[in-house]
Amino acid sequence: DAGVIQSPRHEVTEMGQEVTLRCKPISGHDYLFWYRQTMMRGLELLIYFNNNVPIDDSGMPEDRFSAKMPNASFSTLKIQPSEPRDSAVYFCASSSGGENTEAFFGQGTRLTVV
Amino acid sequence: ILNVEQSPQSLHVQEGDSTNFTCSFPSSNFYALHWYRWETAKSPEALFVMTLNGDEKKKGRISATLNTKEGYSYLYIKGSQPEDSATYLCAAYNFNKFYFGSGTKLNVKP
Repeated sequence: DAGVIQSPRHEVTEMGQEVTLRCKPISGHDYLFWYRQTMMRGLELLIYFNNNVPIDDSGMPEDRFSAKMPNASFSTLKIQPSEPRDSAVYFCASSSGGENTEAFFGQGTRLTVV
Repeated sequence: ILNVEQSPQSLHVQEGDSTNFTCSFPSSNFYALHWYRWETAKSPEALFVMTLNGDEKKKGRISATLNTKEGYSYLYIKGSQPEDSATYLCAAYNFNKFYFGSGTKLNVKP
């Protein structure tokens, strides 16, 4: 398996535009996580899915943020409209669940909103 | 939300020095504790997954211990090398979620 794949790696957009980040988890992993990395808060969990169903979205900062997982191999995180304070690195991770599970991270998407 | 704290925030050591950092987490409802290594411009990679009180794990020059009763874990690096420079994250795993600390950034000078 190629690991968790995120796209794009870098995104620069203007304030007010819609941004869509994409993630392909490792095949067979039942859990998918979206994290945001900032200097102030470190790795912040935004939302996670189990078997494609959103379980906990309490970390999603505002209604401008939404996430979907239409099937087991694809998830999106959308920001509409984007704001400069959304600039951060967004990571997707997947895991198989269970006691000895670990999180496998994608390479991240560096988002800059100008 | 589980509050996971790491110290120190950053550390600068000379090549050959041994070093250690701390991760503290709530001891109630403990399930598992993870250590990750995060190199600049890369993504975090798991070093250790520990579940039992008193667990000790080792990978080369890096080792970790776990005390679930008092809610802490130590990560040790023996004879630090420049390639050990990275951010070391710990995460409490519970309720199917990973709660990450803010990390300890290690810089090993040659």
